[in-house]
Amino acid sequence: AQTVTQSQPEMSVQEAETVTLSCTYDTSENNYYLFWYKQPPSRQMILVIRQEAYKQQNATENRFSVNFQKAAKSFSLKISDSQLGDTAMYFCAFMKPWYNAGNMLTFGGGTRLMVKP
Amino acid sequence: AAGVIQSPRHLIKEKRETATLKCYPIPRHDTVYWYQQGPGQDPQFLISFYEKMQSDKGSIPDRFSAQQFSDYHSELNMSSLELGDSALYFCASSLYEYGGAMDNEQFFGPGTRLTVL
Repeated sequence: AQTVTQSQPEMSVQEAETVTLSCTYDTSENNYYLFWYKQPPSRQMILVIRQEAYKQQNATENRFSVNFQKAAKSFSLKISDSQLGDTAMYFCAFMKPWYNAGNMLTFGGGTRLMVKP
Repeated sequence: AAGVIQSPRHLIKEKRETATLKCYPIPRHDTVYWYQQGPGQDPQFLISFYEKMQSDKGSIPDRFSAQQFSDYHSELNMSSLELGDSALYFCASSLYEYGGAMDNEQFFGPGTRLTVL
């Protein structure tokens, strides 16, 4: 079974600054997918960024980027130029290889991020 | 763009009652997932369906059952409700494509908030 660990229950950052959220995981799979989801106060689950394990290049989506270290089983999220709207709970998630339909997402415990003005 | 629809959005039940949650996936999506998120917790996978067949199963209590219908909508039936069943229940949908990793992205609905009194 896969496990996902987020060691930072809460973090805060000043507006316009950069913050990094940590995530580690444990799996015996060689091919898999990793995700960061954002859950604002509305409780909607919003996909922020995803990474395929077979790709060495780190994924980037505008102000969001990841540092994927496969050997270390680490998957951190960097938010640049933090905005007030980034205030939310952030979940790291793991998914088994895509060749099976209906694969579940395994989530970490979440990191609550507060962006301060 | 059409999103995942869940109904009802809020539901209040008494202990030992039954509840039915409904999920309407994004058009053309053939896979449905159910997740349970307790207060202050990360989402936990319950069950998934692909083409109306159960695909993956997580920590779903025996008191719960689910199915996917011919029009791809899904229903989660919960019986003998307990106080601990109070949670936000997410449905997500995806389009399964063998080899199409990006198209297996799970799109989440807004959730159904179930309160058991």
